[in-house]
Amino acid sequence: AQSVTQLGSHVSVSEGALVLLRCNYSSSVPPYLFWYVQYPNQGLQLLLKYTTGATLVKGINGFEAEFKKSETSFHLTKPSAHMSDAAEYFCAVSDRDTGGFKTIFGAGTRLFVKA
Amino acid sequence: NAGVTQTPKFQVLKTGQSMTLQCAQDMNHNSMYWYRQDPGMGLRLIYYSASEGTTDKGEVPNGYNVSRLNKREFSLRLESAAPSQTSVYFCAAALGNTIYFGEGSWLTVV
Repeated sequence: AQSVTQLGSHVSVSEGALVLLRCNYSSSVPPYLFWYVQYPNQGLQLLLKYTTGATLVKGINGFEAEFKKSETSFHLTKPSAHMSDAAEYFCAVSDRDTGGFKTIFGAGTRLFVKA
Repeated sequence: NAGVTQTPKFQVLKTGQSMTLQCAQDMNHNSMYWYRQDPGMGLRLIYYSASEGTTDKGEVPNGYNVSRLNKREFSLRLESAAPSQTSVYFCAAALGNTIYFGEGSWLTVV
């Protein structure tokens, strides 16, 4: 069965510092991996996804993530944090199920950005 | 382009009451989902529908029923609401493996 573990329910960084949000997954088949961002009182917005091909994936707002099969990880990074990056971030794994895809989410990591 | 639209956005129910959350998508996607979001637990899948006419249980289906009325619409019904069902509910539609979410429905059961 699929599962996703996000290390750290809260992460705090200073503006301009590196952002690193950790995600590990388990899946019985090659996974599709995603990062979503949620701003207060809104739905989830897709940041980036890995399906096949290049293991370093670039997304919106300067974020990127690297799929490491040997470590079963898909950590999210951004070189320089901005105040507007403060939000909750969710890692997700999707496997093909009967007739479609079933997507499971991690518990989320709330990012705080200090001025 | 509205994407995924949920109604109502806010609802307060008394224990034992029933209600239906409506969801419609205008993206012509085959798959639709209902998730609930609770603090510290991320999003948990309640039910999903891979295509019109099919539905499957997710991680937390107890206390809920769903109907995939047509390709556009996927409703979630609480037959007898319980305080444990107080949550934020998200409907989503998927093109292949990528999910697109609605804005959420805040439900409080008192």
